[in-house]
Amino acid sequence: EAAVTQSPRNKVAVTGGKVTLSCNQTNNHNNMYWYRQDTGHGLRLIHYSYGAGSTEKGDIPDGYKASRPSQENFSLILELATPSQTSVYFCASGAWGGDEQYFGPGTRLTVL
Amino acid sequence: AQKVTQTQTSISVVEKTTVTMDCVYETRDSSYFLFWYKQTASGEIVFLIRQDSYKKENATVGHYSLNFQKPKSSIGLIITATQIEDSAVYFCAMREGLTNSAGNKLTFGIGTRVLVRP
Repeated sequence: EAAVTQSPRNKVAVTGGKVTLSCNQTNNHNNMYWYRQDTGHGLRLIHYSYGAGSTEKGDIPDGYKASRPSQENFSLILELATPSQTSVYFCASGAWGGDEQYFGPGTRLTVL
Repeated sequence: AQKVTQTQTSISVVEKTTVTMDCVYETRDSSYFLFWYKQTASGEIVFLIRQDSYKKENATVGHYSLNFQKPKSSIGLIITATQIEDSAVYFCAMREGLTNSAGNKLTFGIGTRVLVRP
């Protein structure tokens, strides 16, 4: 069974609206990550977390917040969604001291 | 800041042949780790293989192998005996520094699309 799940899988939002993307992992990994994938840019890191209660800015954090309420859950929050945030978002988890990251199936977000 | 560059946007090969794709990286760290990930047509992203900067031997896993040329800051991926299911986008990625420094975060290249045709 899938160890990293994301919800929703598809989302259409309006400009200025609030969007929350959720990620759950059953790997018991300390580290979790949010990426966005856009043509010509590959995967870019938005926020990451070392464990419950921690969030850190990645390479492109502007316009995004993150929340890690528990070991298993990591959310990405767009308080005021903009069309430029239309993308595919991937969540991943990784073990402390490990190198491999395990990715979720992705969420396709369209902001109109 | 670290940077990973994949200049080949797409490659097409015939099944059962070998495909090679390039990746160059920039880092100021003396210790770093290089990875290749595969994204299938369904969007699934999976880890394939890794090379530690301090290791001289090229990593090999199944029909995937690496061509690590440290003086050139290059880490190529070689897939031998390709199969149709190897058709995918391949991403090169790098992590700098000590284990779990900055959360083991990765910097990815933009990917190379590989098409394996019959």
